[in-house]
Amino acid sequence: QQQVKQSPQSLIVQKGGISIINCAYENTAFDYFPWYQQFPGKGPALLIAIRPDVSEKKEGRFTISFNKSAKQFSLHIMDSQPGDSATYFCAASNHNQGGKLIFGQGTELSVKP
Amino acid sequence: EAGVAQSPRYKIIEKRQSVAFWCNPISGHATLYWYQQILGQGPKLLIQFQNNGVVDDSQLPKDRFSAERLKGVDSTLKIQPAKLEDSAVYLCASSRDIYNSPLHFGNGTRLTVT
Repeated sequence: QQQVKQSPQSLIVQKGGISIINCAYENTAFDYFPWYQQFPGKGPALLIAIRPDVSEKKEGRFTISFNKSAKQFSLHIMDSQPGDSATYFCAASNHNQGGKLIFGQGTELSVKP
Repeated sequence: EAGVAQSPRYKIIEKRQSVAFWCNPISGHATLYWYQQILGQGPKLLIQFQNNGVVDDSQLPKDRFSAERLKGVDSTLKIQPAKLEDSAVYLCASSRDIYNSPLHFGNGTRLTVT
């Protein structure tokens, strides 16, 4: 019940295209859903996050869509750029459980020029 | 603000040896986490501290792993004795509090056990 399932495992997108990564969770007590971006040799860095009281959050080219009834959320990267090539992790946490993040398995994104 | 500092960046040891990792969190961050990231997987929580107290160590293999956070600032994670399956990147993260504040990660220590 603590798992967060992420897909696809890898994704190749042309420059200017839309990248979409999906995550599903089971624990309905989760109340915070961030996405992290990780470059090789670096630690994960927070990209964007959403709470379950809204269905969408947009920051620049990055958008999170959240479907509470389906227990799913997704990251959309508009106008994908080669510099976006990285591994993306979805995560979830519950503020009543210490705020510790449960991570998905990761998606390796490659944006081709 | 300065980020989360970790050392060493890389460590290669033989199985059954011991190793220690060090972490200095962002100043003022009360919560500190150690995560294990095996190649090709998402980070997995090992232990969480709030100040110098343990909040969650349910996933820490306590027969070989230990961690401490003396004085509620720096932290060390130790493995003794190491096994081949401990080869991974060990990430330290900190956050302002335990109420879903953003986690800030260091660049990790890459451990190879031969």
